[in-house]
Amino acid sequence: GEDVEQSLFLSVREGDSSVINCTYTDSSSTYLYWYKQEPGAGLQLLTYIFSNMDMKQDQRLTVLLNKKDKHLSLRIADTQTGDSAIYFCAEKAQAGTALIFGKGTTLSVSS
Amino acid sequence: GAVVSQHPSRVICKSGTSVKIECRSLDFQATTMFWYRQFPKQSLMLMATSNEGSKATYEQGVEKDKFLINHASLTLSTLTVTSAHPEDSSFYICSARDLTGTGNIQYFGAGTRLSVL
Repeated sequence: GEDVEQSLFLSVREGDSSVINCTYTDSSSTYLYWYKQEPGAGLQLLTYIFSNMDMKQDQRLTVLLNKKDKHLSLRIADTQTGDSAIYFCAEKAQAGTALIFGKGTTLSVSS
Repeated sequence: GAVVSQHPSRVICKSGTSVKIECRSLDFQATTMFWYRQFPKQSLMLMATSNEGSKATYEQGVEKDKFLINHASLTLSTLTVTSAHPEDSSFYICSARDLTGTGNIQYFGAGTRLSVL
């Protein structure tokens, strides 16, 4: 079945780059997404990538997609304390329109 | 991006009462909305898919009589937790699918924290 895996924790220092990794199993996924969740809040869409793209950059965020290995990554340049949150990777399910989420990576940024 | 409003943000109620949560798409029409449940430090679990004008589709293991979903208009879906019990305490999040543009994007509400005493 469909599954999305992420590492659970990442700790970086302010100003460093953060790289959050994600693997998925559904090779027919058309879109892959990164969402950010701050404590007690809903999910904020950060960015998404279409499956025929290898890379997408949006200001400090860079998404890399390796479709062959079913690997997705999110790089945050010049990480700030305000970037501390849980980051969810998600893929669009093959059979319907629901998203399949990973368990989330908690990013902790220290000053 | 598009805005999804979820109300209320927090509910504390006694066991046995029913609680209604509203999810509204403010600047786009959503034929499909989704209801998720999130346990502490866990991922989002899809509960049901809400389709405007038709019955909701529930995921396996989710009781449709317990979690009533109504999607009466293109901008509003409601989730009613009937006869709530302490084990229903959780963080409920809705999302609405925006079909305009590219990306098949789901926009999320801010969530509702339900605490059943």
